[in-house]
This record gives sequence, structure tokens and C-alpha cells, in this order.
Amino acid sequence: QKEVEQNSGPLSVPEGAIASLNCTYSDRGSQSFFWYRQYSGKSPELIMSIYSNGDKEDGRFTAQLNKASQYVSLLIRDSQPSDSATYLCAVREGGYQKVTFGIGTKLQVIP
Amino acid sequence: DGGITQSPKYLFRKEGQNVTLSCEQNLNHDAMYWYRQDPGQGLRLIYYSQIVNDFQKGDIAEGYSVSREKKESFPLTVTSAQKNPTAFYLCASRPQGTSTDTQYFGPGTRLTVL
Repeated sequence: QKEVEQNSGPLSVPEGAIASLNCTYSDRGSQSFFWYRQYSGKSPELIMSIYSNGDKEDGRFTAQLNKASQYVSLLIRDSQPSDSATYLCAVREGGYQKVTFGIGTKLQVIP
Repeated sequence: DGGITQSPKYLFRKEGQNVTLSCEQNLNHDAMYWYRQDPGQGLRLIYYSQIVNDFQKGDIAEGYSVSREKKESFPLTVTSAQKNPTAFYLCASRPQGTSTDTQYFGPGTRLTVL
């Protein structure tokens, strides 16, 4: 059973701070890693995808991947109240169509 | 206006009834997926389809059925055999044979059993 683990939170950070969201996965054959943001009652929207070890930056968001440690994280700099949402980590094994999702971490940015 | 549409947004079902959830996409994506989301749980895969007239069971296919007669459409039927169907249902699609393997989601259908 492939697993993707996330702390459900809530993670509370003050406005302007850095929010750090973490995710671990069980399958060493995993090739593709995704972070989705989901507002309450809405569908997930893609924030970042990452495929190789290291950091990938897009605006205020940075995804970090460490395949040796089976760990992927998302950093949100200068957090805004509008970033308050649930962040889903998703992992796909190479060559497979299926993507496994974590339960999501709820982020609360306090004004 | 490209995207994935799901209908209805809200659906109420009586015990013992079958209901069908619609999913349509005009993104020319080959692969389509159905997920179920329950409070406190991640998305769980029900069925997926890579090409027309072909589909595979996901992790929780029991009590559900699908068809893929057209590339644009992937309807999901929730049958009376599904014991606890109240959930948020999400349809997604993904292009095949490209460098990206990102799934894009529709707005979802919230199903409630009365």
C-alpha cells in the first residue's frame, strides 16, 4: 500500500511569515510530486510540480524534494490570509497513471 | 473557454437509488479520473480511463460504474450497492504522451444520501 503522509494541522502562522508544509512518501519508485491547494468546498488547484531533487521556486512558493529521504516540502514566503487553505501533497510512481494523495495540511494565516 | 465541468454541483439521493454524475472536458485530454473525498481523508481513486472505451478500477471501485464512450466525457454512476456514498466527488483529466503529468480537477459534485 503506497502511502503519502501529511500532518493534518492546522498549521497557524502570522501574516508575512514563512509557512513550511511537509510530506513523506513510502514508495521509492515515485517519480512525480505535486502540491495542490484546496479552499473549503472547492476543488484542488495545482500550485507546484517537482520531479528532481532540490528546490523549485515559483513566486512565493518553493517546493523541495529529497528522494533519498523520501521527503517533499512546500515553503510559502510572505504568507497572506488568502493562503489559508488545505494543501494536498500528491505522488505518482513512475510509469503509472495513479496518483496517491495525502490527507492535506490545513494552513491558517493569522492577520 | 477550456476546462472541466461537472454537474450537478449538489445531488441528493434516496436510499436504493442509482445516480449518475457528469464530467465533461474540452481540453483534448486523453486520461480522465474519478476521485472521492471524505472529511479528514485524502482523495481516493474510484476509476480512471486512459483512452476511449477503456477504463480501470481504482482503489475503491466497489459500488461504482463508469463509461468512456467519448473522449470528452467520463460519467460516474453511484449504484445502490455503494453503502456510504455521501461524499465530495472530483473528476480530473490529464494529457497523455506529454512532458507534463499534471492532473487538472473539475469543480466537484457534492452527493448526499437522504
